[in-house]
Amino acid sequence: KAGVTQTPRYLIKTRGQQVTLSCSPISGHRSVSWYQQTPGQGLQFLFEYFSETQRNKGNFPGRFSGRQFSNSRSEMNVSTLELGDSALYLCASSPFRGGSYNEQFFGPGTRLTVL
Amino acid sequence: LAKTTQPISMDSYEGQEVNITCSHNNIATNDYITWYQQFPSQGPRFIIQGYKTKVTNEVASLFIPADRKSSTLSLPRVSLSDTAVYYCLVGGGGYQKVTFGIGTKLQVIP
Repeated sequence: KAGVTQTPRYLIKTRGQQVTLSCSPISGHRSVSWYQQTPGQGLQFLFEYFSETQRNKGNFPGRFSGRQFSNSRSEMNVSTLELGDSALYLCASSPFRGGSYNEQFFGPGTRLTVL
Repeated sequence: LAKTTQPISMDSYEGQEVNITCSHNNIATNDYITWYQQFPSQGPRFIIQGYKTKVTNEVASLFIPADRKSSTLSLPRVSLSDTAVYYCLVGGGGYQKVTFGIGTKLQVIP
């Protein structure tokens, strides 16, 4: 099976712009989660989607949003970019089976730099 | 969500066994304990998961005491390629909202 793919791999934006990142999960996986990773804060949970519905959300401002399509592909959007949004954004998919924590399979990430 | 505490960094020589302990005092009944490994510029990779007692796979062992308030990841005979950040996380109940934290940076020394 192909792994989780994320596009683009690298992105440079300026403050105030918006950005959309894309994630294609492993075939058959219905749960997609997004994380932000920075050197100082580690890996922080953004949100999780399952069957096109946002099921969980981390503590990020409303500028961070996402969605999931019927084919389980997901996008996340960051509006009005700030310098502090520079980070590695990771997407993870999971074959949610209910009842217990399910292993997450991570993509390579999108490196976003905000100038 | 159960908060986890683990050492920020550890050093070990090649060939030694490495034990990384994680504290999770507020673990819930339906929470599982999962460890991930992350190399630079890559996403984390699942290593091992457990609920109680001991779990072993081809790369690691996970020891969980009866009270489940901590867990220890054991890496036998580490090599330079085991240099990475190791994350302990606690979650479950069918949901994916888990906290990774900063992890433990393991440096294997030749």
